[in-house]
Amino acid sequence: DTGVSQNPRHKITKRGQNVTFRCDPISEHNRLYWYRQTLGQGPEFLTYFQNEAQLEKSRLLSDRFSAERPKGSFSTLEIQRTEQGDSAMYLCASSRLTTTFTDTQYFGPGTRLTVL
Amino acid sequence: DQQVKQNSPSLSVQEGRISILNCDYTNSMFDYFLWYKKYPAEGPTFLISISSIKDKNEDGRFTVFLNKSAKHLSLHIVPSQPGDSAVYFCAASGGSSNTGKLIFGQGTTLQVKP
Repeated sequence: DTGVSQNPRHKITKRGQNVTFRCDPISEHNRLYWYRQTLGQGPEFLTYFQNEAQLEKSRLLSDRFSAERPKGSFSTLEIQRTEQGDSAMYLCASSRLTTTFTDTQYFGPGTRLTVL
Repeated sequence: DQQVKQNSPSLSVQEGRISILNCDYTNSMFDYFLWYKKYPAEGPTFLISISSIKDKNEDGRFTVFLNKSAKHLSLHIVPSQPGDSAVYFCAASGGSSNTGKLIFGQGTTLQVKP
C-alpha cells in the first residue's frame, strides 16, 4: 500500500533561508492539497491542484510561498525567506476526483518545519 | 471566522464506554463531512464520512450522525478502546468551493482510560 509520502519529515532552518518540501500522492489520485497546521489548531488549507493545474490558493499563501505539481504527479512547496511564523506542520493530501458525490482526502505524515 | 467548531478541547472516557465527540458548523452549503484521527507527529488518518443527504453513517465501532437543521455532527465510538486515544478532527467541504478543500475544526483530544 503506497500512501501519501512527504519528505523531509523534519526541517530546521534559519530565518531568511529558503526551504522546499516534496509530496508524492497516491498514484491514481488527480487531486492534491497542501495544508498547514499549527499547535492547537486544525489543518488550514493552503492550495489545491487538479492534475498539474493549481486551481485555488488560500490568502494564507503569501508571495513567499510557491507550489508546483509538474506533470500532475509529485508536488513541491517552497517557502522563500522563511520567517519564524512559518514554523508549522505542512501536510499534503490527495484524492481522486470522480463523478460520484464526493472524494475522501488521504494525508501524508507531514513535514515539521522549525524556523530559528 | 471559524466555520467549523469543536467546542470541547478534550474528553476522557473509560475503556468500554461510549465516546461522543461533537462538531458544529456555520455554512449551510457544506455537503460532505469527515472525521479524522491524529496521533502526534503523524498526519491525520481518515475515519468516517457522511454526505449531507444522509443523517447517519456507521462503520464498525464508529458512527457519525448529522443534524442539518442544527448544523451539528457527532462521532460515536462504541466501545471505546485505549488505542482510540488521539486528537479527533471534524472537517467539512462544499459551500462556494468545488475544489473539495476541507475546513477543519480545532480538534478534540480523546483519552480512553483502561
